[in-house]
Amino acid sequence: EAGVTQFPSHSVIEKGQTVTLRCDPISGHDNLYWYRRVMGKEIKFLLHFVKESKQDESGMPNNRFLAERTGGTYSTLKVQPAELEDSGVYFCASSQVRPRGFTGELFFGEGSRLTVL
Amino acid sequence: GDSVTQMEGPVTLSEEAFLTINCTYTATGYPSLFWYVQYPGEGLQLLLKATKADDKGSNKGFEATYRKETTSFHLEKGSVQVSDSAVYFCALSGSNTGKLIFGQGTTLQVKP
Repeated sequence: EAGVTQFPSHSVIEKGQTVTLRCDPISGHDNLYWYRRVMGKEIKFLLHFVKESKQDESGMPNNRFLAERTGGTYSTLKVQPAELEDSGVYFCASSQVRPRGFTGELFFGEGSRLTVL
Repeated sequence: GDSVTQMEGPVTLSEEAFLTINCTYTATGYPSLFWYVQYPGEGLQLLLKATKADDKGSNKGFEATYRKETTSFHLEKGSVQVSDSAVYFCALSGSNTGKLIFGQGTTLQVKP
């Protein structure tokens, strides 16, 4: 079974440009999450999809960030226009929806490293 | 708000040494606590968890006990191996949704 895959693994862009990160969750996982780790600090929650619906986007830093999950399958995270402080590693994770709720195990991708110059 | 604090790294140990990585938390209510590990070139993976006070999570020789009185969840292993070299993240979940709050991560390097 394929794990969570993310693309690209590394992106280097100029300030003001646009970048789109993609995440393919594990097949059958309705929960999809985006997290970000900036400058070796803590990993911070960005948002949570259940299927195609945004369940919680309280961690999105500002309106330069747009996340979508078309058809409840893969997800994209677009940063437009990118700023220097957006540099970091963006992690995607997925999990199944359980009747009793979250069990604690998220399955993470390797992350997409974004460098804004 | 809820938060997690880990000891700063990097931690460098010789093979077979004893490992402790400290983790303390601040949270309202009764969160679940987790340790995730990221090996080089891989995504984070769940190492162990504890869902209530005094629970002990264990996996691959690692252990951590949920201490409510000290709001701690320290990770321990009696004898580390080179293959344990990785970044370790302590995390909590105060909800039932998968929204995790992570510490800043501790890099462990084990030398032969």
